[in-house]
Amino acid sequence: DIQMTQSPASLSASVGDRVTIACRASQSVGYYISWYQQKPGKAPKLLIYDVFNLQGGVPSRFRGSGSGTDFSLTISNLQPEDFATYYCQQSTSTPYTFGQGSKVEIK
Amino acid sequence: QITLKESGPTLVKPTQTLTLTCSFSGFSFSSSGVGVGWIRQPPGKALEWLALIYWDDDKRYSPSLKNRLTITKDTSKNQVVLTMSNMDPVDTGTYYCAHRLGYCTTNSCFASWFDPWGQGILVTVSS
Repeated sequence: DIQMTQSPASLSASVGDRVTIACRASQSVGYYISWYQQKPGKAPKLLIYDVFNLQGGVPSRFRGSGSGTDFSLTISNLQPEDFATYYCQQSTSTPYTFGQGSKVEIK
Repeated sequence: QITLKESGPTLVKPTQTLTLTCSFSGFSFSSSGVGVGWIRQPPGKALEWLALIYWDDDKRYSPSLKNRLTITKDTSKNQVVLTMSNMDPVDTGTYYCAHRLGYCTTNSCFASWFDPWGQGILVTVSS
């Protein structure tokens, strides 16, 4: 299985800040990385697929980057609705694996 | 608009078999490339992919759970059913079904991600 490791596990930030979450794969996944946002008690929501492609309706302040084994999700101009937990997922092969999550909290 | 909804028991006893149904609208297994996956999440923990079924009845399972899982589809009813045998308290969590997105060639599909997801169903395993 491809292991996905996210960092940090949690971070505190203020509205308007820029935050970056890292995701590392145990082997190359090419460009097949997706990012999800999950709010408490809700289902995950797809934000980004294929490293940097925004899913429809996702604000442009979300940006994905990386390739191979190292990826990141950057949120610019953090908004109140962005405080949530974020997961990366390798989309390249089964079993599809997720990172352990990165919680973005209000400072 | 694509929607999915999970249904099934919210409480099962250890050793019992769990049967969950995903009912969906807005897409059909009659179209090539279509797939539905199941993902679960223990309370306070990360997401874990379980299984995926494609329009052509091709199936993929998590290797760690493969012996306990069965995924089937009913194209006429727009439903996918997941069964998990020999349930244990560690299987407690929220179970989600989700619409698969990704790529397919004429021979096979590859690279899958999921959107949208159902609301999830919390399943507790306890005697």
